Amino acid sequence: AQSVTQPDIHITVSEGASLELRCNYSYGATPYLFWYVQSPGQGLQLLLKYFSGDTLVQGIKGFEAEFKRSQSSFNLRKPSVHWSDAAEYFCAVGSYSGGGADGLTFGKGTHLIIQP
Amino acid sequence: DVKVTQSSRYLVKRTGEKVFLECVQDMDHENMFWYRQDPGLGLRLIYFSYDVKMKEKGDIPEGYSVSREKKERFSLILESASTNQTSMYLCATKSHLNGYTFGSGTRLTVV
Repeated sequence: AQSVTQPDIHITVSEGASLELRCNYSYGATPYLFWYVQSPGQGLQLLLKYFSGDTLVQGIKGFEAEFKRSQSSFNLRKPSVHWSDAAEYFCAVGSYSGGGADGLTFGKGTHLIIQP
Repeated sequence: DVKVTQSSRYLVKRTGEKVFLECVQDMDHENMFWYRQDPGLGLRLIYFSYDVKMKEKGDIPEGYSVSREKKERFSLILESASTNQTSMYLCATKSHLNGYTFGSGTRLTVV
């Protein structure tokens, strides 16, 4: 069965500092990986996704993530965080193929706190 | 852009009531999903549908059912609401081109 682990429940970072959120996955086939962000009271917004090709993926809001097959990881990074980045971040794995209707499996989320 | 609309942002229902959560999408996507989100548990898949009148159980279907009579609408039904179904409910669609798109969520409180 597929699973996603986000080992950090909470992370506190100073504004302007760099950020790395960890994600490890278990998936039987070729994984399709996603990072979503959720601000308080809002739905999920896609930050970036990885299907194939270049293992370093660029997303919105200055985020990037690196797929490492040997480590079963897909960590999210940002070189300099802004106070508006404070939110809940979810890593997810699933199928993206057009014929597949299976849903995503999500990690439990990492709550990011930004210190002034 | 794909739009996924959940009709209610907040709902308060009584224990034992039958509750309908509605989700409408505007892009003719075959695949639609219902998740619930709880603090510390992330999102968990309740049900999904890959076509009109077709449905499949997700990871936590107990206490829920779904209806998909039209392609654009996917309803989640709580036959007899219980307090442990107090949660945030998120609807999503999926397409080959656009991936997954989520609605803004319905926060349901069962009292």
